[in-house]
Amino acid sequence: QQQVKQSPQSLIVQKGGISIINCAYENTAFDYFPWYQQFPGKGPALLIAIRPDVSEKKEGRFTISFNKSAKQFSLHIMDSQPGDSATYFCAALKAYNQGGKLIFGQGTELSVKP
Amino acid sequence: NAGVTQTPKFRILKIGQSMTLQCTQDMNHNYMYWYRQDPGMGLKLIYYSVGAGITDKGEVPNGYNVSRSTTEDFPLRLELAAPSQTSVYFCASSPRQGSYNEQFFGPGTRLTVL
Repeated sequence: QQQVKQSPQSLIVQKGGISIINCAYENTAFDYFPWYQQFPGKGPALLIAIRPDVSEKKEGRFTISFNKSAKQFSLHIMDSQPGDSATYFCAALKAYNQGGKLIFGQGTELSVKP
Repeated sequence: NAGVTQTPKFRILKIGQSMTLQCTQDMNHNYMYWYRQDPGMGLKLIYYSVGAGITDKGEVPNGYNVSRSTTEDFPLRLELAAPSQTSVYFCASSPRQGSYNEQFFGPGTRLTVL
């Protein structure tokens, strides 16, 4: 119940295309769902996050879609660029858990071809 | 602010050796974390700390120890290194408990145990 399952493991998209990464969770106590972006040789960094009281959040070319009933959420990258090539992790957090511990998905390696 | 810094960047250990991975943050964050990242496995929490003098186990604590004597420092100790501890290790920090504040990651330490 503590798992977050992420797919696909890797994704190749042409420049200008839409990249879609999906995550699913079981624990209905999760109430914060961030996405982290990691470039090679660097640590992950927060990209965008959503709470389950909204179904969508958009920041520039990045959009999170959230389906509470299906316990799924996804990251959409519009007009994908070579600079978006990175590993993306979804995560989930249960509010007020000691330590603010995040549960991470397995990661998706995105490659955007020019 | 330097953010979260980690040393060393790379290290090769022989089986049975010990070492300490250093982590320092200058953001006055209460919460600190140690993760390991293995290909296709996402980020697994090793240990975390909610403040100086307080530490607790995460998902994969076996073979590791931590201490938190100051707010700034959170070293990770590997005793009797094993090949299964070959991984990339990330330290992270976060401002406070029960909030949705992001975790800030260091650049990582790549450890190989031969």
